Amino acid sequence: QVQLQESGPGLVKPSQTLSLTCTVSGGSISSGGYYWSWIRQHPGKGLEWIGYIYYSGSTYYNPSLKSLVTISVDTSKNQFSLKLSSVTAADTAVYYCARSSTVTTSFDYWGQGTLVTVSS
Amino acid sequence: QSALTQPASVSGSPGQSITISCTGTSSDVGGYNYVSWYQQHPGKAPKLMIYDVSNRPSGVSNRFSGSKSGNTASLTISGLQAEDEADYYCSSYTSSSNWVFGGGTKLTVL
Repeated sequence: QVQLQESGPGLVKPSQTLSLTCTVSGGSISSGGYYWSWIRQHPGKGLEWIGYIYYSGSTYYNPSLKSLVTISVDTSKNQFSLKLSSVTAADTAVYYCARSSTVTTSFDYWGQGTLVTVSS
Repeated sequence: QSALTQPASVSGSPGQSITISCTGTSSDVGGYNYVSWYQQHPGKAPKLMIYDVSNRPSGVSNRFSGSKSGNTASLTISGLQAEDEADYYCSSYTSSSNWVFGGGTKLTVL
């Protein structure tokens, strides 16, 4: 059973960089066949896809966030990470990591989510 | 890209059937059979209920079904149960090689 777990600071100051890590267990990122994504949900709102990374390191980002987002992978630790720079209060959200198949493209496994608040 | 359009809320009584619509464009819903549906209970992560328009993952009740016509996809839940009360989100892969979600629909079981 694949499990994903987000970790990182729950509070970030405005203009700083939000950094989160997703640890994958029960399956190897290096095995291929899956995209590893970050998705966020603003309080009381819908879901927003941020971007994904493939085990090879290739990435694709939401065009609306592209200039501020970096996703990286550490296959030795079976982890992938998100960095979102120059955050504002509008970046306050629950951040999820999730897996999607390269075949079906649906998000079949999700982390439990972590709330990140941007505030001074 | 714009979010997919879903009704804000739907309701039904136990045992009844309800349908939630998800409208996009020819660049997402209408252009690909990559529509998926997610159920989210309060404080929980979304759970995949339907993928590739009409396929159910293992373990998901056959009371959940999906379909698509043109630029609109639909999720139907038959035999409503109290445990079905949740938020539901649709998602589609897009021609821009990314994903777009719907705004979500709150299902109330009366």
